[in-house]
Amino acid sequence: AAGVIQSPRHLIKEKRETATLKCYPIPRHDTVYWYQQGPGQDPQFLISFYEKMQSDKGSIPDRFSAQQFSDYHSELNMSSLELGDSALYFCASSPHGLAGTYNEQFFGPGTRLTVL
Amino acid sequence: AQKITQTQPGMFVQEKEAVTLDCTYDTSDQSYGLFWYKQPSSGEMIFLIYQGSYDEQNATEGRYSLNFQKARKSANLVISASQLGDSAMYFCAMREGQGGSEKLVFGKGTKLTVNP
Repeated sequence: AAGVIQSPRHLIKEKRETATLKCYPIPRHDTVYWYQQGPGQDPQFLISFYEKMQSDKGSIPDRFSAQQFSDYHSELNMSSLELGDSALYFCASSPHGLAGTYNEQFFGPGTRLTVL
Repeated sequence: AQKITQTQPGMFVQEKEAVTLDCTYDTSDQSYGLFWYKQPSSGEMIFLIYQGSYDEQNATEGRYSLNFQKARKSANLVISASQLGDSAMYFCAMREGQGGSEKLVFGKGTKLTVNP
């Protein structure tokens, strides 16, 4: 079965550089979530998209932006990178359903970003 | 305020024994969902089990079962017949929101070590 694809899997950047992380959801999944997991931390919700519109926003820095495209893939753009941005970035996708129903989030393998 | 509390930073268990990982949650919503994920050292987030707030039966998935006590707001994970491959971080998470965004809020995690 197809899974969530994230690219690149590993990324090394210098401070103040920019980075773009990509996420390809499972086919027919129209909702994408981004999470950030710092070293030794739990994953923190950043932002989500439903049908190409931003649906929720968490603790995402202003230096970060994201969007979902017409083919439902999503990109997380990170500018002016800081050392503290070093983390594992997960994308998860889910199918949209009725409010209150169970929609499992399928996680991608993550992109490990290291900022030097 | 912490919405998901995992009070055990680390747990040890002998191979083939059962272990319970604790999770308590805080929400005023009537409809919510509780998840357990496993994160091995390789980093991927592996879905284990789900419990909906309206589910009357405790969820089970193979060797995993969820001891759901709604009045106590606890959702403990029970792993039976532990295996060496069960050594990993385990995160309890709660689904927040409805419809187009159902982000997950994670606890701090419990590191499980299975000893031979």
